[in-house]
Amino acid sequence: EAGVAQSPRYKIIEKRQSVAFWCNPISGHATLYWYQQILGQGPKLLIQFQNNGVVDDSQLPKDRFSAERLKGVDSTLKIQPAKLEDSAVYLCASSPSGVSTDTQYFGPGTRLTVL
Amino acid sequence: GDSVTQMEGPVTLSEEAFLTINCTYTATGYPSLFWYVQYPGEGLQLLLKATKADDKGSNKGFEATYRKETTSFHLEKGSVQVSDSAVYFCALTDFGNEKLTFGTGTRLTIIP
Repeated sequence: EAGVAQSPRYKIIEKRQSVAFWCNPISGHATLYWYQQILGQGPKLLIQFQNNGVVDDSQLPKDRFSAERLKGVDSTLKIQPAKLEDSAVYLCASSPSGVSTDTQYFGPGTRLTVL
Repeated sequence: GDSVTQMEGPVTLSEEAFLTINCTYTATGYPSLFWYVQYPGEGLQLLLKATKADDKGSNKGFEATYRKETTSFHLEKGSVQVSDSAVYFCALTDFGNEKLTFGTGTRLTIIP
């Protein structure tokens, strides 16, 4: 079974530029999550989708971050404009049904550096 | 709100030593508890989980028991190997709140 795919793996941009990340979850998984992991910290949820609807985006900085999940499969996360404090690893995860006992499966992450 | 407090690191042990990484939690509902591991250069992967009180999760020689009375989920292994060197994260989800809430992570280094 293929895992969660993410691209790119690394990205370096200047502040105020825009950037987009892509995620392809495990086939058949209804729930998709984007987490932000700042160096030395545990990941923190940015947004959760159930199929193609948003369940939780309370921690997403909506003035600069946006995300979509078209057709309930792939997802993109965009930052526009980027700030220095957005430097982090962006992790995508998926789970079969989104219940709290589910295992979430993580992709390799995209390491973003904002200069 | 929900939170996870994890043993501060880094932790350095000799091969074959006994390992304990402490984890305590605060949750408002009925949490499920997880240990995730991040090996060097790799993504987060589930190590073990427990979804109700007194459950024991186990995998690769690691164990953790869901203790509701002490709100703890400590990770243990009887004899660590060099290949266990990684960052370990304790995490929870809560009933009706499926996002993972993570601790800060514990970096474990095993020396031969």
